Amino acid sequence: QLQLQESGPGLMRPSETLSLTCTVSGGSTYTSSFYWGWIRQPPGKGLEWIGNIYYTGTTYYNPSLKSRLTMSADTSKNQFSLKLTSVTAADTAVYYCVTQRGYHYVDWGQGTLVTVSS
Amino acid sequence: QSALTQPPSASGSPGQSVTISCTGTSSDVGGYDYVSWYQQHPGKAPKVMIYEVTKRPSGVPDRFSGSKSGNTASLTVSGLQTEDEAEYYCSSYADNNNYVFGTGTKVTVL
Repeated sequence: QLQLQESGPGLMRPSETLSLTCTVSGGSTYTSSFYWGWIRQPPGKGLEWIGNIYYTGTTYYNPSLKSRLTMSADTSKNQFSLKLTSVTAADTAVYYCVTQRGYHYVDWGQGTLVTVSS
Repeated sequence: QSALTQPPSASGSPGQSVTISCTGTSSDVGGYDYVSWYQQHPGKAPKVMIYEVTKRPSGVPDRFSGSKSGNTASLTVSGLQTEDEAEYYCSSYADNNNYVFGTGTKVTVL
């Protein structure tokens, strides 16, 4: 089983760009076995799919976030990343990085809380 | 893409069964056999309990089962145990490489 660990800023100001990184251990990000993805959960609310990336670099994004979202992977560092521009309070959430095998999510990071506040 | 509809809460006594519904559309739940269910305890990351409507990952008790009819999927927990008290979310693949989650159901073991 893979271990995933998110890292990010914690606190941000509105209009800034959110950058999150997920470091993978116990396996390589250069694999055709699954996708790497991001899911978020606002405090006290439900889960929202953000997007995923394949080892080839192919990405799929939630249409509601697509205009602000970029995902990438650095196989040399065994990491994948998310950038979300022009954040607002609505982007406040726990962000999870995940492995997607088939059409479901198997491995989850512990999650990192990102708070957007002025 | 709208969230899938789940009842806010469900409950049962130890040993009883509880069934949670997850209603979508023909563009997601009804169109694909790619519904999965996740259990989330407070402060923890979700854990997959059912995938591809009926399949159970290794290590998940056979008390958990899934089904689907039309645009509605269901998760049944039989023989409820205290550790089953948690939030449950469904998820489905949707048209054009999208994924959508359910609104979540809080299961209480009385």
